[in-house]
Amino acid sequence: DGGITQSPKYLFRKEGQNVTLSCEQNLNHDAMYWYRQDPGQGLRLIYYSQIVNDFQKGDIAEGYSVSREKKESFPLTVTSAQKNPTAFYLCASSSGTAKTPLHFGNGTRLTVT
Amino acid sequence: GENVEQHPSTLSVQEGDSAVIKCTYSDSASNYFPWYKQELGKRPQLIIDIRSNVGEKKDQRIAVTLNKTAKHFSLHITETQPEDSAVYFCAARDNNDMRFGAGTRLTVKP
Repeated sequence: DGGITQSPKYLFRKEGQNVTLSCEQNLNHDAMYWYRQDPGQGLRLIYYSQIVNDFQKGDIAEGYSVSREKKESFPLTVTSAQKNPTAFYLCASSSGTAKTPLHFGNGTRLTVT
Repeated sequence: GENVEQHPSTLSVQEGDSAVIKCTYSDSASNYFPWYKQELGKRPQLIIDIRSNVGEKKDQRIAVTLNKTAKHFSLHITETQPEDSAVYFCAARDNNDMRFGAGTRLTVKP
């Protein structure tokens, strides 16, 4: 979906470094989400935000942080406290929180060595 | 929170046959149930969805059924084609967030 841009597509970091993944949308959507996907597994919710300046923890928030200072942007920081950060990260947005689909970005594959 | 279980984890069918994927959810507050298709290395794409006030929905070769009492919903693909090969995810949504099943890898053999 061209309306949600994640950058970069591939990201490499050394262990112990914090890294921030970018997510921008021009769909005028209120809600934004971050999911983590590991090989052969489903999407696990990290954080979500329903409105600007507000966000909620998902199922696996430990070691991650987010901010929602603008409606269009929802960056995710993977901190050094995240024990196993190598994964495929997907950002999504939706026009509301009830009975509406999520639109996904193309993802960022993070590799930490 | 919501817990979504999906079966089977892998499914192999012959071209032209039907494929069925089943999901169950735990939270009775969930009211929206989308299905996504994900090809290797790409983002999930919505293929069909159903809302809690509907029992069945069909779009060409794909259909979804919902049993609210039993808290389960299913995806049916008829006349499968090799391009249907992908990973399929079910999901359940309440008024806050969306939870996904673990996925089903569907392989359609020519």
